[in-house]
Amino acid sequence: NAGVTQTPKFQVLKTGQSMTLQCAQDMNHNSMYWYRQDPGMGLRLIYYSASEGTTDKGEVPNGYNVSRLNKREFSLRLESAAPSQTSVYFCASSEESNVLTFGAGSRLTVL
Amino acid sequence: DAKTTQPTSMDCAEGRAANLPCNHSTISGNEYVYWYRQIHSQGPQYIIHGLKNNETNEMASLIITEDRKSSTLILPHATLRDTAVYYCIVRVAYQAGTALIFGKGTTLSVSS
Repeated sequence: NAGVTQTPKFQVLKTGQSMTLQCAQDMNHNSMYWYRQDPGMGLRLIYYSASEGTTDKGEVPNGYNVSRLNKREFSLRLESAAPSQTSVYFCASSEESNVLTFGAGSRLTVL
Repeated sequence: DAKTTQPTSMDCAEGRAANLPCNHSTISGNEYVYWYRQIHSQGPQYIIHGLKNNETNEMASLIITEDRKSSTLILPHATLRDTAVYYCIVRVAYQAGTALIFGKGTTLSVSS
């Protein structure tokens, strides 16, 4: 049982490039989330999806787009990467509770 | 969601109990106390949650004061692998269209 799988684990981009972070869960959870974590900081919520077909903005949505492709997959897209988006990105999923299961993280560097 | 206050850092000797406090003086009657931890740069891990009664599981115990304005997470026999950042979050059990917001937590350092 893999839980929450994120790809890629590491990525280096140049300013202005685009990329998509992929997240998939195999626990049949309804809700999925994207957080970012900067050095020495707590997690900040970017976007979340309470159920398939719905998405909502979190604390720091600017510069990102998301797609809830199906119940299993929730992707995060950076259309034009900026150095300020250098961070570790975590995907998570949950049932109708606040017990979240997190992925291992995707480390993004924007030069 | 009610605001929580946690110490920035704490130390604990290996094998001793680690008691991590959390203040949530504005907690509402339907809000639960959740604890997560994050080891090094891994994804956060759920530990335990409770409403008003004390809770215990294989990882930890959660003690909530009678007035529910504060709580303590107890790791009964801390090991070096318990070194992590511990997050206390107060929240209703489930609210459609919202999500958990994490603060900065307490950095627990367990030493031998």
